[in-house]
Amino acid sequence: AQSVTQPDIHITVSEGASLELRCNYSYGATPYLFWYVQSPGQGLQLLLKYFSGDTLVQGIKGFEAEFKRSQSSFNLRKPSVHWSDAAEYFCAVGAYAAGNKLTFGGGTRVLVKP
Amino acid sequence: GAVVSQHPSWVICKSGTSVKIECRSLDFQATTMFWYRQFPKQSLMLMATSNEGSKATYEQGVEKDKFLINHASLTLSTLTVTSAHPEDSSFYICSAPSGGNSYNEQFFGPGTRLTVL
Repeated sequence: AQSVTQPDIHITVSEGASLELRCNYSYGATPYLFWYVQSPGQGLQLLLKYFSGDTLVQGIKGFEAEFKRSQSSFNLRKPSVHWSDAAEYFCAVGAYAAGNKLTFGGGTRVLVKP
Repeated sequence: GAVVSQHPSWVICKSGTSVKIECRSLDFQATTMFWYRQFPKQSLMLMATSNEGSKATYEQGVEKDKFLINHASLTLSTLTVTSAHPEDSSFYICSAPSGGNSYNEQFFGPGTRLTVL
């Protein structure tokens, strides 16, 4: 079975500072990895995804993530945070063998200080 | 990108009544759709997989008689919360993969907030 852990429940960052959100997964084969963002009361927006190939993935809104197989990690980064980045971020793992089901991490809430 | 809609976006109902939530893929066909439940400040939990033309597959611990799922067509799945109670109040989100034989990105609906009084 696949599982995802996001160790940080909350992160507070100053506007303009860098941001890194941690994600660790457990899955027997190569997973498909995703980062989603959710604003309060809203649905999920895909930030980026990793299926194969280059382990450094670029996404929307200036986000990037790096897949590290040896560490079973897929951490999300942004060099300079904007106030509009305050939201809930979810890492998710999927697999075709699992019927395309997605398993989500617990989420990390990002607060941005002015 | 592909668009998934949900209706209604929010609903308030009395305890004991049933509520139907629709999930539609607007510009693609989806033989499979997924229903998630999200409690406040928590993550999404997969409830069931909706399969067009066959019975839904429920995750462990989800009451299939409580949460009725019907995948009536290649673009519509419905979730009916039967005899709703306050503990059923939650944010319900559906998603649909874009299709094909390999893993496909899932597209999420905007969610439906259910409040049971």
